[in-house]
Amino acid sequence: ETGVTQTPRHLVMGMTNKKSLKCEQHLGHNAMYWYKQSAKKPLELMFVYSLEERVENNSVPSRFSPECPNSSHLFLHLHTLQPEDSALYLCASSQDLSVSPNEKLFFGSGTQLSVL
Amino acid sequence: GQSLEQPSEVTAVEGAIVQINCTYQTSGFYGLSWYQQHDGGAPTFLSYNALDGLEETGRFSSFLSRSDSYGYLLLQELQMKDSASYFCAVRPPDSWGKLQFGAGTQVVVTP
Repeated sequence: ETGVTQTPRHLVMGMTNKKSLKCEQHLGHNAMYWYKQSAKKPLELMFVYSLEERVENNSVPSRFSPECPNSSHLFLHLHTLQPEDSALYLCASSQDLSVSPNEKLFFGSGTQLSVL
Repeated sequence: GQSLEQPSEVTAVEGAIVQINCTYQTSGFYGLSWYQQHDGGAPTFLSYNALDGLEETGRFSSFLSRSDSYGYLLLQELQMKDSASYFCAVRPPDSWGKLQFGAGTQVVVTP
């Protein structure tokens, strides 16, 4: 148990659907992240939040919309997705957005998303 | 940007030693981290090398050589539970906590 919980674990949606992924961390961390993991590819950073403020948007299409209502919760709202968006979406947290080099990331188990 | 190269898959028997190499092309970074991810599970932190040399944590060791742009993760006395994907990652300067990951190495341990 990493202290980061993601729901749902699996999601199948059509291209016209709207759905949301949820992440909750129980670690008292101040920074939260969304990563996309596709098979045989490096993890891609999508969004970074620090103290509920977005500090990074890594050229992600607008059909992905993050929301961070407080430092413990992070959402990823999905609408009009494409089949190529099918992937594992991982949430992570860290104590702070410091430049401390050995800052660890704590990941959730992810949501496996399939877009039909 | 950074580019990290890892082998895609390594297979070994229980009790053996496996070395997973990570080579990179970068002008500067803070250190090399390793994460383990079991199938269907969360990536979890394994080790971090800030300086050149070997860091040992139980059966796992990690090595970094900045002059050679190279690092590795060494898994000793392999157990079936070590079957997982292993990712190397670096933190570029001024990166606000961003980690740049490799594509991962799938380690398959056989009886």
